[in-house]
Amino acid sequence: GQNIDQPTEMTATEGAIVQINCTYQTSGFNGLFWYQQHAGEAPTFLSYNVLDGLEEKGRFSSFLSRSKGYSYLLLKELQMKDSASYLCAVRSLREKTSYDKVIFGPGTSLSVIP
Amino acid sequence: DVKVTQSSRYLVKRTGEKVFLECVQDMDHENMFWYRQDPGLGLRLIYFSYDVKMKEKGDIPEGYSVSREKKERFSLILESASTNQTSMYLCASSFQGWSTDTQYFGPGTRLTVL
Repeated sequence: GQNIDQPTEMTATEGAIVQINCTYQTSGFNGLFWYQQHAGEAPTFLSYNVLDGLEEKGRFSSFLSRSKGYSYLLLKELQMKDSASYLCAVRSLREKTSYDKVIFGPGTSLSVIP
Repeated sequence: DVKVTQSSRYLVKRTGEKVFLECVQDMDHENMFWYRQDPGLGLRLIYFSYDVKMKEKGDIPEGYSVSREKKERFSLILESASTNQTSMYLCASSFQGWSTDTQYFGPGTRLTVL
């Protein structure tokens, strides 16, 4: 089966750096997404990793280690508007089909405080 | 910009009613998805479709059906609503490419079944 774990809640200070971890177990791994979801709104795409290493995009970076089943999202220079849930999602091959499936983790609720 | 719209933001129905949730996307995406989102459980896939008139069961299809008569529209049907179907329902669409397969989400429909 598949299993994705993330911390439930995190709190960080404005201007600081925070790292949100995601661990997963899956077969047929084919990439990992990070989405941001503000309260009452739809998730929006942040990043996608399919190869090991760090992908940087402005204040946000995402890291993947396929051998360890581990990813993290790094947020730098935190702003109040970064308070949101961050969803890790794993893409893998759906059994008995040629389609991929994307399974979402439970999400991490990040609170940024002054 | 991709736009995914859902017919209602809030809906209240009674047990046993038939419920239709509509989703429309304007980017000519082949893939469309229906999820429900519950606290602590993350996003769970109900049904998805990779082409017109094509549908595949997701991870929690029981009690739901779908319809995709046109490429831009994907409907979720609750044949006989029950209280355990009270949830946030999110529709998403994506391009059927081989690379990132980023999903774009609608604003969600918060359904309450009394």
